[in-house]
Order: sequence, then structure tokens, then C-alpha cells
Amino acid sequence: AQKITQTQPGMFVQEKEAVTLDCTYDTSDPSYGLFWYKQPSSGEMIFLIYQGSYDQQNATEGRYSLNFQKARKSANLVISASQLGDSAMYFCAMRDASWGSNDMRFGAGTRLTVKP
Amino acid sequence: EAGVAQSPRYKIIEKRQSVAFWCNPISGHATLYWYQQILGQGPKLLIQFQNNGVVDDSQLPKDRFSAERLKGVDSTLKIQPAKLEDSAVYLCASSLQTGGYTGELFFGEGSRLTVL
Repeated sequence: AQKITQTQPGMFVQEKEAVTLDCTYDTSDPSYGLFWYKQPSSGEMIFLIYQGSYDQQNATEGRYSLNFQKARKSANLVISASQLGDSAMYFCAMRDASWGSNDMRFGAGTRLTVKP
Repeated sequence: EAGVAQSPRYKIIEKRQSVAFWCNPISGHATLYWYQQILGQGPKLLIQFQNNGVVDDSQLPKDRFSAERLKGVDSTLKIQPAKLEDSAVYLCASSLQTGGYTGELFFGEGSRLTVL
């Protein structure tokens, strides 16, 4: 069964600095996708970045990059040049290619606070 | 392009009462999901539809929760009778893909339920 683990309940970062949010996962399926979402206090889930299990390079989207270490089953999110607006909950999620149900499973989340 | 629409945004009810939430996915998205997000936790899948058929409802408490997706578009999630532990945000999401593990889910703003 899928399992997503985020071990950091809360993180603090100084504005303009970089921060890494940890995520480890467990699946027996060789084909899977890893996702990061941001959830501000308003509640909507905002998609940030995607990494496929067969992708050779780490995904990047603007200030977001995903440090994908397949052998360690980790998919850490790196946010560069943090901004005050980055303060939010961040969720790591995964889908695998199991037939029948390709729903997205989420970790417990990390609350990021950016300090001015 | 219009996003996923949900209503109501907020609902307060007494325990043992009933409540219904509505979701209109992004046009053309075949797959629709209902997630429950309890405060401080990641979203948990309740039910997944593909067009108007149920793909996965293994985590739906069927003694009190029901959901339907008529004509493969809008969906309604109902709780009857509500319990205190049903207090949560109910997130609706949709995706274009009908299988596999790629492609993000697009989320609505959620419906926050408080059961007193």
C-alpha cells in the first residue's frame, strides 16, 4: 500500500533564504507520480510541481524544485528565495499506476512560516 | 477556464442532522474525487468517480455517507446522520486523465463542515 511521510510538522525560514521540506514515500509499484501542493489559510490546494518515477532529471518550476532520490524513496521540495506569501501548509502526495484506482494519497503536511 | 466549484463554503449543523455538498468539476474532466480533510491532517479520499461510475469508495463510511455523480458531471456528497467526528473540510477535485499516475488533481476551495 502507498504511504507518504512528512516528518516536519512545522518549519521556519527567513525571507529570501531557501528551505527544504522533506517527504518520503513507500510503494511497491515501479510506476508512480509524486506531487507537491500548497494550501494557504484560505483552504484551496494549489499544485506546485510533479515528478514521475521514470524521470531522469529533477523537476523544477520557477522557485520550486524537487530533489528526487529514487533509491532512498524521497522527494523533497526545495523553495528558493522564500517570500512571505510562501507561508502555508505544504503537502506531498503520490499516485501510482495500480489498475482501478489512481487516486492521490497525501502526507500529513508541513506548515511553513516565512519570517520577515 | 473555470475551476472546480463547490458549495456551500461553510455549514454548521447539529449532530444527527443531514447535510449535502455540491461540486461542479472542470469542464471535460472525467474523474472526480471527494476528499475529507480533518484539521491538522492531509486529505483522505472518500470516493472516486470516473464519468458517472464509482471507481473507489472503499474509505467511504457507507452507513452515513453517500455520493452520486449524475450524468458524469456534477456531484453531490451527503452525510446523514452527521456525527461530531465528521467536522472537516470536504474537498472536491477533478482530473482530465482516466487512468495512470500522471496529471495533477485540480481542487475546489472546499466546504467546511462543523458538527455541534
